[in-house]
Parts: sequence; structure tokens; C-alpha cells
Amino acid sequence: QQQVKQSPQSLIVQKGGISIINCAYENTAFDYFPWYQQFPGKGPALLIAIRPDVSEKKEGRFTISFNKSAKQFSLHIMDSQPGDSATYFCAASRSDKLIFGTGTRLQVFP
Amino acid sequence: DADVTQTPRNRITKTGKRIMLECSQTKGHDRMYWYRQDPGLGLRLIYYSFDVKDINKGEISDGYSVSRQAQAKFSLSLESAIPNQTALYFCATSDYYGTGQETQYFGPGTRLLVL
Repeated sequence: QQQVKQSPQSLIVQKGGISIINCAYENTAFDYFPWYQQFPGKGPALLIAIRPDVSEKKEGRFTISFNKSAKQFSLHIMDSQPGDSATYFCAASRSDKLIFGTGTRLQVFP
Repeated sequence: DADVTQTPRNRITKTGKRIMLECSQTKGHDRMYWYRQDPGLGLRLIYYSFDVKDINKGEISDGYSVSRQAQAKFSLSLESAIPNQTALYFCATSDYYGTGQETQYFGPGTRLLVL
């Protein structure tokens, strides 16, 4: 069963545009929602994370928006750059392990 | 030196062979994980260990086994490899502070091809 659903599977954005990746979860016991970024040939690395007691978290050009009632959260990348081209995974956790989404491959063209 | 290392980085094997993937970490973390990554399926948890004496099955443990030889070492074995185990395998570590906000640190991955 897919406890964390992620879309789109791939995304092409022009430099300077906004990239938006969406995730939805089912288990209301999840209490931590991180996003991981993976460059080709590398392991994933934590990018940004949010707890369900806040609706938004911003770190530089990266913002997580969280809608607890809809059980949805999204990653927004403002002013997308070619260096942001990577695969992005959302995840959800409840204290012991992470459940990852299926990933979104983002390509940012100059 | 990398905090989480995996060996080998690439491996080609034949159906029915037993192989072992190794993971070592210098972060001093208690928790270690094995994932496999497949296109369109994301990262799926195979096994995890919260300390040397603790081993737990993940989402897709069938056909795999693990050994936690020390706090720093966690090995994944494929007892009899089959082609649908062809995938990218990642080891990860984390340190848990009881806040529910743990960060997992991933190794560089092992690309496995089973012929």
C-alpha cells in the first residue's frame, strides 16, 4: 500500500520559474514530514522538513506548505535554477521510520 | 572521508548467487537502515536496526537478510539473487533524540544487476 502519494512523477521547469511537487498521506499518526533531494549518483539528503503544527516553513527558495485537514503537503521551489535539477522525495514519519513517496524528477532548463 | 560508506558501489551477479552488500558509518549513530530504490517506486525499506541487538523487517524484506556486526556496520545479504532484485540499494543512518524529527543520512548507494 502506498501510504505517501507523490505527484508529478516528472517536472520540467524553465529557469526562474516555480516548481511545485505535491504529496498526500493517509495515516494521521504521522508527525514529521521531510523532503529529501537526490542528485544523480548520490544518496538522498535532507532538504527541508515540517511538523504538522505549522502550515508553512520557508528556507531560502524552498517552502513547504502543509494542509493538515486535507492530509496534503507540497514543496515549492521559487526562482528554480538548473542546479535544482534532481529527484525530490517527500516522506512521512511517526518516530521510528520514514515512509517515502515515489519521487519527482525535476529538470530545470536555462 | 564520507560518513556513510557502501561497498561495493557496483555489482553484477548471476541468478542464484549469494551476495553481500556492506555499510559502514562513522557518525556514531545507533539507527541504521537498508532501502532499495526502483524507478517509479521510490525508496522502500528493506530492514532496519535501532541498535546492535535489534533487527526489524521493513516493507520488502522477503529474499533479504541483514547482520548488524557492530554499531558502525550493517550488512545486507541476498541469499539467492533473482533478476527482480536488480535495483539501487542505499544504506542510511540516523540518531534519534526522541523528538520525532530525525534526519537520515544516506550512503552513496550500490547499483546491483542480477542477470
